[in-house]
Formats: sequence, C-alpha cells, structure tokens
Amino acid sequence: DVKVTQSSRYLVKRTGEKVFLECVQDMDHENMFWYRQDPGLGLRLIYFSYDVKMKEKGDIPEGYSVSREKKERFSLILESASTNQTSMYLCASSLEVSEQYFGPGTRLTVT
Amino acid sequence: AQSVAQPEDQVNVAEGNPLTVKCTYSVSGNPYLFWYVQYPNRGLQFLLKYITGDNLVKGSYGFEAEFNKSQTSFHLKKPSALVSDSALYFCAVNAGNNRKLIWGLGTSLAVNP
Repeated sequence: DVKVTQSSRYLVKRTGEKVFLECVQDMDHENMFWYRQDPGLGLRLIYFSYDVKMKEKGDIPEGYSVSREKKERFSLILESASTNQTSMYLCASSLEVSEQYFGPGTRLTVT
Repeated sequence: AQSVAQPEDQVNVAEGNPLTVKCTYSVSGNPYLFWYVQYPNRGLQFLLKYITGDNLVKGSYGFEAEFNKSQTSFHLKKPSALVSDSALYFCAVNAGNNRKLIWGLGTSLAVNP
C-alpha cells in the first residue's frame, strides 16, 4: 500500500512565524502535491512537483513556497504565516498521470 | 475552461436504499476520471477511476461509477447505502497527459439509519 505521511496532524502558529509542513511518501512516486482544503472551496492546489528540485505553481501559490530535495519528501513553507492561511493542508503523491494518494492532513491554525 | 461540477452540495439517503452522487465534467481530450471519499478529519481516499474500456467501473467499498461520454458524466453509485458511507465525496478529472487533477467542490453524503 502507498503510504503518505505528514509531519503533524495539528499545528498552531503565530502570525509572522515561518512554518514548515513536511510530507513523505514511500512509493517512489515522481509527482507530489500540496493542497489546502477549506469548507465550500474544495481542494485548491498550492504547488506541485514532478521531479526532484522541480516545482510548478498551482492555483494559489501566493504566500507559500516549496522544496523537494529528495524524491520522497516535499515540503511546504509558509514564509510569514497569516491568519488567512488557517486551513487543512493535504499532501498527495502519484505516479505519472494516475490517481493521487493522500496523507492524513495537517490542520494549521494561525493566531 | 476545464471544469468539474458536482451539482449537489448534499445528498441524503436512507440506509439500504441505492445512492447516486453526481459528477459532470468539461475537458478537452480524453478524460481520466476519479472518485475520492473523505471521512471526518481524514485525508482523501481513492475509490475508483475510469481511464478507458468498460463504462462501468467498480471500486472500493461496493461503489461503482458509470462513464457517459455523451452526457460528460461520471456518477458514483452504490446499490445499498450504509450509515458508514456518510462522508464527503469528491470527483476529479484530468485530460490525458496532465499530471494535475481538476476537482469538484465535493458532495456531502448523509445516510440515515
């Protein structure tokens, strides 16, 4: 079975802090994704990566950056957290154009 | 523009009755279609997909979906609903060789005992 893990289930940070969300997958997938999920807005793609050190902006990249130094690990960085970044963050991975597999999510609260 | 629509925000069904969660799409090229389920405070779980072949696709937990090219639909179905099927369901699509998925906004399914 594919396993995607995320570093934290719940996280509380203060406005202005730098926040790191980590995601690791164990199936050698080349694609990895970061989404945020908000009620009524569904899943919105922040960034994705199709190879080590490669990244592409999704629909809502503002205020976020990503890092992929190893194939199995994809990090989401909030450079200066703001209250409007309070959300559920979901990481996923996939092989080529196939289905995506998701981690359990990180519920981030910025106060 | 490519898009996915789930026309119902919420679907209510009695336990034991058949259920349908609707999805329509608009993409250029041949679509790859997916259904996912999300239980409360959990990540999304893959249910089933259509790539090519038989229009009726069977997936996890007794779910199936029917691809209808003329109606550009991919409705999720189950013959007999369980209370444990209560969850949020998402339809997603990509157009062939695109690595990204286009997502519907989700449909909340409530199965009443």
